[in-house]
Amino acid sequence: EVQLVESGGDLVQPGGSLRLSCAASGFTFSSYWMHWVRQAPGKGLVWVSRINSDGSSTSYADSVKGRFTISRDNAKNTLYLQMNSLRAEDTAVYYCARDLSGGAGDYWGQGTLVTVSS
Amino acid sequence: QSALTQPASVSGSPGQSITISCTGSSSDVGGYNHVSWYQQHPGKAPKLMIYDVSNRPSGVSNRFSGSKSGNTASLTISGLQAEDESDYYCSSYTSSSTLVFGGGTKLTVL
Repeated sequence: EVQLVESGGDLVQPGGSLRLSCAASGFTFSSYWMHWVRQAPGKGLVWVSRINSDGSSTSYADSVKGRFTISRDNAKNTLYLQMNSLRAEDTAVYYCARDLSGGAGDYWGQGTLVTVSS
Repeated sequence: QSALTQPASVSGSPGQSITISCTGSSSDVGGYNHVSWYQQHPGKAPKLMIYDVSNRPSGVSNRFSGSKSGNTASLTISGLQAEDESDYYCSSYTSSSTLVFGGGTKLTVL
């Protein structure tokens, strides 16, 4: 059974940092591109970042470029999102998702909540 | 990276068909056959309903179908059921090698 489990969400002050993790199981993690998608409370889905299967290529939304870094450890079957210089507008539930084809997320984690507030 | 445009809400009666539109540009929806549709119930993770414009993942009812014409993609749900009441989002690959979502559509089954 495919499972994605996010962790690392927390309450952090503006300007602070946080690292999210997404533990994958039930499939060959190293064969799939992966994404981070976020959803602010009561709002819609917003794509954040993606990484290719071997970690050599990444892409970011303009709103997080230069502040967030996506990475992966295929030996540990884990996806990461390093978030620096956090702002109030980064407050959201963060989901990781497996890429089936052309950006389509066929499996999603349950999400982890990041709250940026003083 | 402007969000794709979806109607805020649509509604229909049980048994009817409804269509949700998703309008982008030639840099996303119109330029690639990588449009996806998701269903999201409150407090739950999104569920993939359609990928690559018109393909259904295994296990998704054939009442759900997708299409595209120019810069606009569409999700059609036929034989509407109470359980279809949910939020629906489209997404598309873009010319910047990113993804973009629509603002979401709330489907109400009357």
